[in-house]
Amino acid sequence: NAGVTQTPKFQVLKTGQSMTLQCAQDMNHNSMYWYRQDPGMGLRLIYYSASEGTTDKGEVPNGYNVSRLNKREFSLRLESAAPSQTSVYFCASSKIYRELSNQPQHFGDGTRLSIL
Amino acid sequence: SQQGEEDPQALSIQEGENATMNCSYKTSINNLQWYRQNSGRGLVHLILIRSNEREKHSGRLRVTLDTSKKSSSLLITASRAADTASYFCATVAAGANNLFFGTGTRLTVIP
Repeated sequence: NAGVTQTPKFQVLKTGQSMTLQCAQDMNHNSMYWYRQDPGMGLRLIYYSASEGTTDKGEVPNGYNVSRLNKREFSLRLESAAPSQTSVYFCASSKIYRELSNQPQHFGDGTRLSIL
Repeated sequence: SQQGEEDPQALSIQEGENATMNCSYKTSINNLQWYRQNSGRGLVHLILIRSNEREKHSGRLRVTLDTSKKSSSLLITASRAADTASYFCATVAAGANNLFFGTGTRLTVIP
């Protein structure tokens, strides 16, 4: 049982380049999330998708776009990468968004992104 | 910000000892969750405690919640080297739609 799978695991970009981080879950979850983790900051929510066909901004959405491709897949795109976006990016999923506080979130192992 | 803060930031103990880490938050919450993160891996859910509960156990884990003090503690008893990880609390403020994570406690268990 794979759970939440993120690709790639590592990536180095130059300032101004674009890239898409991929995420897929096989738990039939309705809701998916993108976080970034920076030292001393904890995890911060970038975007989330409460259900297939919907996406909403989180705490730090600037510089990012997302696509909920289908129920399984939720991608995060950096259109023009900046050094401030150097971080570890985590995708997560949960069963039902409206039960956000009552349900665990399941995380992938992250994408480590460096922008030079 | 709803973000919680864990205390201490880092903790080092001998195998077999108990480890206690604390979480404080700022606003009223519905429930509180604890997660573990091993180095280089994603977060793993450990336990959820509801706002009307004061204590909850799961194996070697004991979580307490004091809503009057806006704080929670996670106790790991009889620690093992495999417990070495970072531990995060996470809350959803009443009426909010985001799960906010604290900054974490880095636990090192020395064999």
